Amino acid sequence: QSALTQPASVSESPGQSITISCTGTSSDVGGYNYVSWFQQHPGKAPKLMIYDVSDRPSGVSNRFSGSKSGNTASLTISGLQAEDEADYYCSSYTSSSTLVVFGGGTKLTVL
Amino acid sequence: EVQLVESGGGLVQPGGSLRLSCAASGFTFSSCAMTWVRQAPGKGLEWVSAISASGGSTYYADSVKGRFTISRDNSKNTLYLQMNSLRAEDTAVYYCAKVRSYYPTFDYWGQGTPVTVSS
Repeated sequence: QSALTQPASVSESPGQSITISCTGTSSDVGGYNYVSWFQQHPGKAPKLMIYDVSDRPSGVSNRFSGSKSGNTASLTISGLQAEDEADYYCSSYTSSSTLVVFGGGTKLTVL
Repeated sequence: EVQLVESGGGLVQPGGSLRLSCAASGFTFSSCAMTWVRQAPGKGLEWVSAISASGGSTYYADSVKGRFTISRDNSKNTLYLQMNSLRAEDTAVYYCAKVRSYYPTFDYWGQGTPVTVSS
């Protein structure tokens, strides 16, 4: 069982928006603004999409945005495109001995 | 261009050892913390270990603590993961990644090296 909880799968039509949630505790997501989101296509390495809850690395589309409320972080993708179909993972710094925790991942299907 | 190239993966028997390497280029390696993340077949990402820029601080997931050792050679721009007492559940693709600022801002990843623990 992963430390952070994500829905296993979500789906939406092209052009629509979707939000993926990531729920932790006050020891990780809720306690620090160090939440990242990664996109992973099949057989490929993960790619950083969002860091520090809501910042985007250079080169990442502004269709991707992040936010946080309490112990839950969220990734929103607007104007869905076929190329957005992938697995998405959240990750957070944690005050436990583990240092970093990941969510179980969410498979996004663009219908 | 930032490049991270892992090597050293392969098939090993339970209880055996393996050392992974990650050759870095395109950035000032000695100024950046580094990390290892693994992914078991068909499963999600699991953070494994991290090391500070100087190598003076190291961190481990509970699942590998006492069995894995992370290290780095800043003169060779190379990150290592020494894996001992390997178990079937350590079977995974192992990725090295560069830490941008704070954990878990892993901004560049290698292509991964597969490790299979089986008799």
